[in-house]
Amino acid sequence: EAGVVQSPRYKIIEKKQPVAFWCNPISGHNTLYWYRQNLGQGPELLIRYENEEAVDDSQLPKDRFSAERLKGVDSTLKIQPAELGDSAVYLCASSLDHPGGYTFGSGTRLTVV
Amino acid sequence: ILNVEQSPQSLHVQEGDSTNFTCSFPSSNFYALHWYRWETAKSPEALFVMTLNGDEKKKGRISATLNTKEGYSYLYIKGSQPEDSATYLCALVKTDKLIFGTGTRLQVFP
Repeated sequence: EAGVVQSPRYKIIEKKQPVAFWCNPISGHNTLYWYRQNLGQGPELLIRYENEEAVDDSQLPKDRFSAERLKGVDSTLKIQPAELGDSAVYLCASSLDHPGGYTFGSGTRLTVV
Repeated sequence: ILNVEQSPQSLHVQEGDSTNFTCSFPSSNFYALHWYRWETAKSPEALFVMTLNGDEKKKGRISATLNTKEGYSYLYIKGSQPEDSATYLCALVKTDKLIFGTGTRLQVFP
């Protein structure tokens, strides 16, 4: 079975440009998470979905970040416009329920220049 | 805010050495503690899920213990190999999310 798939693996953009990340969770996993890992820190939760509903987006910087999970399957995370401080690894994870076993994708490493 | 701390931040050992890392936390109010191994350009891989005070888990040369009363978990690697080189993350499972430590970056030299 394929794991959690994320794309792209790497992205370099200039500041003020938009960027989007995509995540395909494990089939049947109801819960989907986006985490961000800044350099030298542990991953921090940005948003959690239960099916198509965002049940915790309290840590998502809503002025420039947006996310969606249409039909409760794939999810996209968007940043517009990107800032230098957004450079980080963006991890997607899914689980059958919460708190259940988590499966992570390999992440998207974003560099904003 | 719950702070999960890991030490050391980084570690360099020779092949064959045994090593251990610490994950410390101020509260026992969590569902479980997870250990992950995260190799560069790969997905974080779950190593252990620990739930009870006194838990001890083992997978090959790697083992972990949990002490919820004192607020720490240890991860041990016996006879380190170059393929053990990775960042090791611990995370507390709270009601709505994982709270990660900052990780320990292990480098094993042949």
